[in-house]
Order: sequence, then C-alpha cells, then structure tokens
Amino acid sequence: EAAVTQSPRNKVAVTGGKVTLSCNQTNNHNNMYWYRQDTGHGLRLIHYSYGAGSTEKGDIPDGYKASRPSQENFSLILELATPSQTSVYFCASGERKNYAEQFFGPGTRLTVL
Amino acid sequence: AQSVTQPDARVTVSEGASLQLRCKYSYFGTPYLFWYVQYPRQGLQLLLKYYPGDPVVQGVNGFEAEFSKSNSSFHLRKASVHWSDWAVYFCAVSMNANTNKVVFGTGTRLQVLP
Repeated sequence: EAAVTQSPRNKVAVTGGKVTLSCNQTNNHNNMYWYRQDTGHGLRLIHYSYGAGSTEKGDIPDGYKASRPSQENFSLILELATPSQTSVYFCASGERKNYAEQFFGPGTRLTVL
Repeated sequence: AQSVTQPDARVTVSEGASLQLRCKYSYFGTPYLFWYVQYPRQGLQLLLKYYPGDPVVQGVNGFEAEFSKSNSSFHLRKASVHWSDWAVYFCAVSMNANTNKVVFGTGTRLQVLP
C-alpha cells in the first residue's frame, strides 16, 4: 500500500543540537513537502522538493535545511535546534500535475528543551 | 496574497445533527480549493477538492462543499454527523499549479456530542 512514513515519531532534543527528521514515500511522487503544525497557525510550509536533488524554500525556511537524496526520501535538518522549533512536523508527497492533492505522513512530534 | 480563513476554531454538534464548517479564501484568479481532515494522532487526509466547474463538490463519508465566488467561500457540510467525524478540518487553497503549493487555514476542531 502506498504510504508516507516518518521517523522518528517522537523526538526530544537539546537546544543547540542537530536534529534530522526523515520521510519516506512509496507513492512514486515527484513532489515532497515539509510542514510544521502549531496551534493557531495551521500548517506552514518549510521546504519542498520537485524530485531527487532538488530543494526549495517554503514560507518559513529559516533555521531549517532539507535534503532529497532520492525520489523516496526527503529529510528535514535542524542544525542548531531552538525551543521555538518545538512543534509537530508533517511530511507530504504529491504528483507533479496541476493542483494535485497531497498525501501526508503521520507526523513527528519534536520537543526542543 | 493568497490566504484562507477558518473563522471557527471549534465547533460542537450533536451526533445526527447537520454540520457546516466555514472557509473564506482570498485569491487572485481561479481558486483550486481543498478540504482535509486530521483524525487524532494522524496526518491529514483529503476529504474533497474543488476544480472550477460544478460549485457543489461531493467528498468521502457524506461530506460535500459548496464554492461561492461571490462570497469567496468554500463551506463544508454534512447532513448527519457521526461520532467518528470528531477531528480537525482544514481548508486549503492551491497557490500554484506547477509547484502544487497550498496555503492552509488554521483548522476547525469538530467535537461530536452523543
């Protein structure tokens, strides 16, 4: 069954530490996205990708990097984690066609102490 | 700039009652609109999507939405709510056909009373 999976599902990190959130999709979709979800803000786009080797800045990219080493995998990297990055992070994938829907993973809850 | 407003952070209805969740959009051009649902501890799932055409769109589990250009709205409706509909509902507008980037509203949390 086609799916988007994320690891880890829960993560506690220390301020200043490096955090890597991983996403894998078996949908064979070209596009992938990273969002964070915070109360009162809904979902906000951090980075996205059109395919292997490509990453683009979303609406709130500061403090985050992304990596797309393959069609299936898309990582979000926090080089120096801060408490303001405590949130729930969602990965999604979508076809490269006009106005395609997105398919979401189950989310990663990140707490930065 | 494109935006989506969901004015109700929380809606409570009794099981079996009808439901309307409100969504207002701001978009220059032809909007492509979506409703997603997030069940507890899960990611978002598509309920329905609007592409220009028939203003009433049918979705899964008895949900439907009506697009109104004059009111800049895309309200979600259901005739009879079930306890399993307890979730958070997000309205979204697609910004760009090529990137498929979307802007999400802040969500409406639906509580269903027995």
